Amino acid sequence: EPEVTQTPSHQVTQMGQEVILRCVPISNHLYFYWYRQILGQKVEFLVSFYNNEISEKSEIFDDQFSVERPDGSNFTLKIRSTKLEDSAMYFCASSARGNEQFFGPGTRLTVL
Amino acid sequence: QKEVEQNSGPLSVPEGAIASLNCTYSDRGSQSFFWYRQYSGKSPELIMFIYSNGDKEDGRFTAQLNKASQYVSLLIRDSQPSDSATYLCAVFGAKTSYDKVIFGPGTSLSVIP
Repeated sequence: EPEVTQTPSHQVTQMGQEVILRCVPISNHLYFYWYRQILGQKVEFLVSFYNNEISEKSEIFDDQFSVERPDGSNFTLKIRSTKLEDSAMYFCASSARGNEQFFGPGTRLTVL
Repeated sequence: QKEVEQNSGPLSVPEGAIASLNCTYSDRGSQSFFWYRQYSGKSPELIMFIYSNGDKEDGRFTAQLNKASQYVSLLIRDSQPSDSATYLCAVFGAKTSYDKVIFGPGTSLSVIP
């Protein structure tokens, strides 16, 4: 069964460094999303992406964040200058029609 | 007012019983409703979705939607210890945006053997 994959599974970085989290959505899906979940808290929407552009973003997704689909398969989330409070689990999700979303296993980001 | 609310639990039920999980949402414009299951340290796994008022059954799971009351629920029949997880209610189309899913805080379910 096709699934969303994410790399790396765990990323440790120093505060102020840039990180890129990578996702490979399900191959025939057209809608892509990033969420984050701080330990013990709820899943929070960051951004949705369709037709090579951002379609919606939350207030969390500020100028430090960007997304890109550099080729036909990868979908990336970049955090330009990480802060301690960026430490969280980051989930990528994809959807065929913009409704049911399927999540990847997540990348645990630890900012020291 | 919080957009999607759920009882945090934990909800404990004996094996074989029916577990009932509830969710309310604040935006009447919401269009689609999802239930995800999340095991500790894992990603959310889609188990049910419902778009129309009424009941929708899939195996041991039944989702119920009442848009007038802004209420959605999930029933798990014949609960198994493997159902022990956090159940996340997610609402799509909140705040008139059709690209943003809002998750509730989740209800922790424990099925006691």
